[in-house]
Amino acid sequence: QSALTQPASVSGSPGQSITISCTGTSSDVGNYNFVSWYQQHPGKAPKLIIFEVTNRPSGVSNRFSGSKSGNTASLTISGLQADDEADYHCCSYAGSSTVVFGGGTKLTVL
Amino acid sequence: QLQLQESGPGLVKPSETLSLNCTVSGGSLSSTIYYWGWIRQSPGKGLEWIGTIFYSGNTYYNPSLKSRVAISVDTSKAQFSLTLYSVTAADTAVYFCARRPMAAPGALHAFDVWGQGTVVTVSS
Repeated sequence: QSALTQPASVSGSPGQSITISCTGTSSDVGNYNFVSWYQQHPGKAPKLIIFEVTNRPSGVSNRFSGSKSGNTASLTISGLQADDEADYHCCSYAGSSTVVFGGGTKLTVL
Repeated sequence: QLQLQESGPGLVKPSETLSLNCTVSGGSLSSTIYYWGWIRQSPGKGLEWIGTIFYSGNTYYNPSLKSRVAISVDTSKAQFSLTLYSVTAADTAVYFCARRPMAAPGALHAFDVWGQGTVVTVSS
């Protein structure tokens, strides 16, 4: 069970859109529609923002959207805001009740 | 609403055993549609899934930690616990407990409620 691969960092200006990728294998991301994304501000616990690839929990802005193609899932944040600056983590179900996380991506809003 | 709270020693010596508890309030640990899990985050690193338990006691562990980990549940105390044996400096991390739905209508296999985390340092 290897960690999912995410870029270490991405950046964008306010109002722009950015996309964070999350690459796994045919044993996790490619085989299940159970990819979730988490936003984590410094010193805080992660917050669920996307589940089951594309779904948003109640209260999460529709500026956050998720997608998947093959073994790669993606998180897109549109209309970047200063408060979006945070770490973002992806997670995938990997079968047999196990899950695997990505290494995390630091988003900087310029 | 549901709240999770981690507790336990903040400092553990190398080769000793790390023990943490997660207390569940505002909801039931005995629900049939949730797993309860432990996740950790080493300094400056990403999240790492440690393991998960069902209220019945069924457990599932990260293969890389399986030989050193045990998770247990005590529904009478509304707690589930993490035990990590033979710790080293590499086990220094923030440890989170979290809820993970395993059946509808929840966010399947996503961690939807988290504790605030507790810092554990392994050092002599």
